[in-house]
Formats: sequence, structure tokens, C-alpha cells
Amino acid sequence: QITLKESGPTLVKPKETLTLTCTFSGFSLSSSGVSVGWIRQPPGKALEWLALIYWDDEKRYRPFLRSRLTIAKDTSKNDVVLTLTNMDPVDTGTYYCAHRQAGGALAGAFDVWGQGTVVTVSS
Amino acid sequence: SYELTQPLSVSVAPGQTARITCRGDNIGSKNVHWYQQKPGQAPVLVVHKDSNRPSGIPERFSGSNSGNTATLTISRAQAGDEADYYCQVWDTTAAIFGGGTKLTVL
Repeated sequence: QITLKESGPTLVKPKETLTLTCTFSGFSLSSSGVSVGWIRQPPGKALEWLALIYWDDEKRYRPFLRSRLTIAKDTSKNDVVLTLTNMDPVDTGTYYCAHRQAGGALAGAFDVWGQGTVVTVSS
Repeated sequence: SYELTQPLSVSVAPGQTARITCRGDNIGSKNVHWYQQKPGQAPVLVVHKDSNRPSGIPERFSGSNSGNTATLTISRAQAGDEADYYCQVWDTTAAIFGGGTKLTVL
């Protein structure tokens, strides 16, 4: 059974750096085709994809946030870390990590999601 | 950049069929995934690769995709289907989500 869980601060100040950790079980991020993504959701708004890291350490970022985002994995610890620099109140929202299997029947869908972690940006 | 357009809201009577559309340029050439999100909960994948259901998703949920429109169809709608629904595709190397549709069963 695949599970993911996000952790990190609930409150950050403007201009600070947010660091979130996604700890997972039930799969290996060194297996071909596997990736983990981060998606966020501002209060009352739509889902917004942020970043993705592949089993081979390839990374993809949301174009308009590329300069502020970093994603990294620690295969031995079964976790993925997302950092977002220069936080602003508009970055407030729920941050999710999700499992993705490229190709095959799932064709790259995010098939299992974590419960999400709420982050508020305020001084 | 690629965009997906969904209606803000769709209403359906219990037992009837709800159809939620997702429009994008030549979306028929892409794999479309659909997620259900109930208040306070994480999204759940309900349809992947246009028309496939993950295990545990009722047969009442189905999908289609052609031309510039993908559609999520929910047959015999139930009160428990009330939720926000999002379509999603991959455009080159970026995941794109639609703006979401609130389904009301009344």
C-alpha cells in the first residue's frame, strides 16, 4: 500500500524559505518510471502543480516559479524535500505530495496523494 | 502556456447523469486524468488516461476525450458525489490542472 505524508512548518514569515518534506512508503523512488510531485492549493482555489522528481533524479518545475523552487530526494530515507524561497502571502495554502507512475495504464496520473499540510505566510 | 477550462459549477438531480467538461486545445491528443476532492480532503484519482477507473472507483464514473473536449460522466448521481472535480494533463514537461468544477447534487 502506497502512502505519503507531508510535514513542515505551518507558519512562515514573508521572505523566508519554506522547506517541506514528503515521507512515503510502499514504493521505491529508485524504481524506473516512479516520480513524486508537489501540488498546492490556495484557500478556495484550484490545484496548482509545483514540481516533480523522477527516479533518475530528473526534475521538473512550474515555469513561473522555477527560480524559487528546489526539489530533491533521499532514496535511503524515502523522502522528497521541496523548498520554496522568498515566501509571500500569496503562497499560503495546502501543499500536497503525490505518487506518479509514468507510462502504462496510469499514464502519469497522480494516483496516490498525501493528506496535505497547511502553510500560512504571515508576519 | 496550455490551459484547461472547466465550468465553475454543475448541478444534477439524484439518480441523474452529470457531465463535467474540460476544454483545451487539441486535448484529444493528450491523456486526461480526473480527480475528485471533497471538502477538507486530499484529491482522489477517479479516472485516468481519459476513461480508465482505478480500483475502488464505482463504474458510475466514466470519461471520454476527443477533439478539444474531455468529459467526466457520473451516472446515477448520489449525494456522496458532491465534490470539486479537476481535470489534469501533461503539457511537455509540466502538469496542468483545470480550474475545477463544483458538482452539486440536489
